[in-house]
Amino acid sequence: GQQVMQIPQYQHVQEGEDFTTYCNSSTTLSNIQWYKQRPGGHPVFLIQLVKSGEVKKQKRLTFQFGEAKKNSSLHITATQTTDVGTYFCAGPVGSGGSNYKLTFGKGTLLTVNP
Amino acid sequence: KAGVTQTPRYLIKTRGQQVTLSCSPISGHRSVSWYQQTPGQGLQFLFEYFSETQRNKGNFPGRFSGRQFSNSRSEMNVSTLELGDSALYLCASSYYLGARSGYEQYFGPGTRLTVT
Repeated sequence: GQQVMQIPQYQHVQEGEDFTTYCNSSTTLSNIQWYKQRPGGHPVFLIQLVKSGEVKKQKRLTFQFGEAKKNSSLHITATQTTDVGTYFCAGPVGSGGSNYKLTFGKGTLLTVNP
Repeated sequence: KAGVTQTPRYLIKTRGQQVTLSCSPISGHRSVSWYQQTPGQGLQFLFEYFSETQRNKGNFPGRFSGRQFSNSRSEMNVSTLELGDSALYLCASSYYLGARSGYEQYFGPGTRLTVT
């Protein structure tokens, strides 16, 4: 079945350093979604990428979708303590309707040392 | 709009018992998905309901079941609880953005189930 792999599993940075997490799928994805889960919280939707090679920015966060639509990355510039949490990527299996399921990567836990 | 609500937030059960968890989606969202989250396995898809019908199912045993009501509220049930069922159970409601975009999922706070 489809797998979504995410690396690294953990990343500890000093405040102000950059951070990147990578997501790879065994199959081509119609879209990829990113979520953030704060410690003790629940996943919160961040963004969705749909087009091949798409790049989207949200303040210090930059999201990329690979040309082959099988990989994606999330880059945070100049991390802050508020960035702490687990970042998940998720890709759908199927194209909607009865075949749709969302497969999540295992996530990258980001900790930031102030 | 109010967010996704789940009840109860915390639950302690004994092995062999059964449990029912409830989820109220965001108003207007007809799709409700359930996930199990554990430290070892991460977020795993349980099932999805749309208009009272189960549309998708993950790889979980038949002890895990669910249903959806006409008002889109959903329940999931776990029978004959095992120690390994201890987890955070998350419900997510979503609306369909189209064939290319799929769904954006909005998660509830979860129900923390502990089986002793």
